Amino acid sequence: AQSVTQLDSQVPVFEEAPVELRCNYSSSVSVYLFWYVQYPNQGLQLLLKYLSGSTLVESINGFEAEFNKSQTSFHLRKPSVHISDTAEYFCAVSTKTRDDKIIFGKGTRLHILP
Amino acid sequence: KAGVTQTPRYLIKTRGQQVTLSCSPISGHRSVSWYQQTPGQGLQFLFEYFSETQRNKGNFPGRFSGRQFSNSRSEMNVSTLELGDSALYLCASSPGLAGVQQFFGPGTRLTVL
Repeated sequence: AQSVTQLDSQVPVFEEAPVELRCNYSSSVSVYLFWYVQYPNQGLQLLLKYLSGSTLVESINGFEAEFNKSQTSFHLRKPSVHISDTAEYFCAVSTKTRDDKIIFGKGTRLHILP
Repeated sequence: KAGVTQTPRYLIKTRGQQVTLSCSPISGHRSVSWYQQTPGQGLQFLFEYFSETQRNKGNFPGRFSGRQFSNSRSEMNVSTLELGDSALYLCASSPGLAGVQQFFGPGTRLTVL
């Protein structure tokens, strides 16, 4: 069975500074990888996903993540954060099998400091 | 297209009662998944329905059940509520396999007193 580990439960960062949210996964088969974002009092929204092809994937709001198969990681990065990025971020994994489900990490709360 | 809708948005119940939550997926989506979100446990998978059949089930007691109708709308039911059932219940829909991409609703906040 697959699993996801988000090592940091909270990450404080100053506005306009860079940030990296770490995600490691475990799986014996090929995977799909996702980052979801949850703003206060809302449901989850897909931020970006890796299904196949280029290992570097980008979102429309400046986030990017790189699939590293050898390190089984899918870290999320942004070169300059904004106060509007304050949210909880969830890494998720599913395997490329017909009946599998998405497994979520416990989330990382991103605090943007003024 | 309208997004995933969940009703009600907020619910207060007492221990021992039962509750039914509803989820309407995005038009054309055939898969509906349910999750329980709590501060301590994060997002935990409850079950997934595809074309009215339960395809996957998480590790929850039998008090948690669900079903899907022919129009893909889904309901989940929790019987004999416990204090620990207080959580945000999220529904997500997918056009096909849930493992590829999911679209989430805003959730139903259940408080058990």
